[in-house]
Amino acid sequence: SQQGEEDPQALSIQEGENATMNCSYKTSINNLQWYRQNSGRGLVHLILIRSNEREKHSGRLRVTLDTSKKSSSLLITASRAADTASYFCATGVAAGNKLTFGGGTRVLVKP
Amino acid sequence: DARVTQTPRHKVTEMGQEVTMRCQPILGHNTVFWYRQTMMQGLELLAYFRNRAPLDDSGMPKDRFSAEMPDATLATLKIQPSEPRDSAVYFCASGLTGRVGELFFGEGSRLTVL
Repeated sequence: SQQGEEDPQALSIQEGENATMNCSYKTSINNLQWYRQNSGRGLVHLILIRSNEREKHSGRLRVTLDTSKKSSSLLITASRAADTASYFCATGVAAGNKLTFGGGTRVLVKP
Repeated sequence: DARVTQTPRHKVTEMGQEVTMRCQPILGHNTVFWYRQTMMQGLELLAYFRNRAPLDDSGMPKDRFSAEMPDATLATLKIQPSEPRDSAVYFCASGLTGRVGELFFGEGSRLTVL
């Protein structure tokens, strides 16, 4: 069963705009990760945020985590056509690396 | 360039046939995961190995699915007999336990059962 639910399910934006997607989860977590999946490919890790962190940046990515609301957001700034992909949040409930994935957000960046 | 390798990339078979999917995890990684991805169910965890020992296969239909790690460089997922509802993309991922970290995914095996 999926731990996370993502919102929106799909997002269409123009190149240069920001893309924001949200992830909500049900149980307490040790960490939350975001992955990208290009069509027909495997998932690629983007960023990890631990349960005691509130915000993390990596290049054009910004992730926030609110454990009181059991939610996270991923912001992609200044989007590019190459950012077109599906984005998944994944939660880890222990210090090991077993992850439970959300349903994903499909992002289309139009040139 | 270290990567997780999965074979076959595509498989079309008929209902009732045996299907075996193989995965070579990244050298040195000691955790291996099998996930199944479908449009309806998303990404489901089927099986999880640490140091070649199965830790969790609760997501796997036991009557027809089996997962093994004959050695540290090979993980297998077998379906016997296959059914049309098994049609999906099967992903293998590997990682390192003992630290909070990312999983590295293979490109997947797309299975179609007719």
